[in-house]
Amino acid sequence: DIQMTQSPSSLSASLGERVSLTCRASQDIGSSLNWLQQEPDGTIKRLIYATSSLDSGVPKRFSGSRSGSDYSLTISSLESEDFVDYYCLQYASSPPTFGGGTKLEIK
Amino acid sequence: QVQLQQSGPELVKPGASVKISCKASGYAFSSSWMNWVKQRPGQGLEWIGRIYPGDGDTNYNGKFKGKATLTADKSSSTAYMQLSSLTSVDSAVYFCARSGGLDVWGAGTTVTVSS
Repeated sequence: DIQMTQSPSSLSASLGERVSLTCRASQDIGSSLNWLQQEPDGTIKRLIYATSSLDSGVPKRFSGSRSGSDYSLTISSLESEDFVDYYCLQYASSPPTFGGGTKLEIK
Repeated sequence: QVQLQQSGPELVKPGASVKISCKASGYAFSSSWMNWVKQRPGQGLEWIGRIYPGDGDTNYNGKFKGKATLTADKSSSTAYMQLSSLTSVDSAVYFCARSGGLDVWGAGTTVTVSS
């Protein structure tokens, strides 16, 4: 199985700050990576698909990128509703596998 | 719009089985894979398996073979997952999610295994 190593596991940041989360893939996954957001009530929403495409309705402060086997989710200016959990997901190879998650906390 | 409506919480006894559902609307149910994902309390996400309702084809994560059985009813646009021989480690929230890219997610069904 492909391992997705997500970092950091938690991040404390301030409103308006720019932050980046990273997932490193243990094998080549090409562009087959999504970013998911999970609210405190458990609701899961896809934010980014195919590494860098923004899902409909997702604010433009979210962006995705790739450098080699490292995939990043960047939030350009944090808003209060962004302080939730984030997961990456690779779907290049079965089984699909998730990163361990990042909990974004307000400083 | 695409929606996945999952069944309500379940409290089941150790050793029993449970069948949970995911009713799809807003798209061609038979033409998209339906995935199932497990999340234990305070933990991350694990892919259980998927079913293609059009022909019933299934793929399972090896870890869940023998534990989960996926089925689908095209007439009601509903996917099902049965979990068998339940133990405490099966207590979790179970999500359904559409397609290879898991683009739309249900709200989750909480399964609690307790005597």
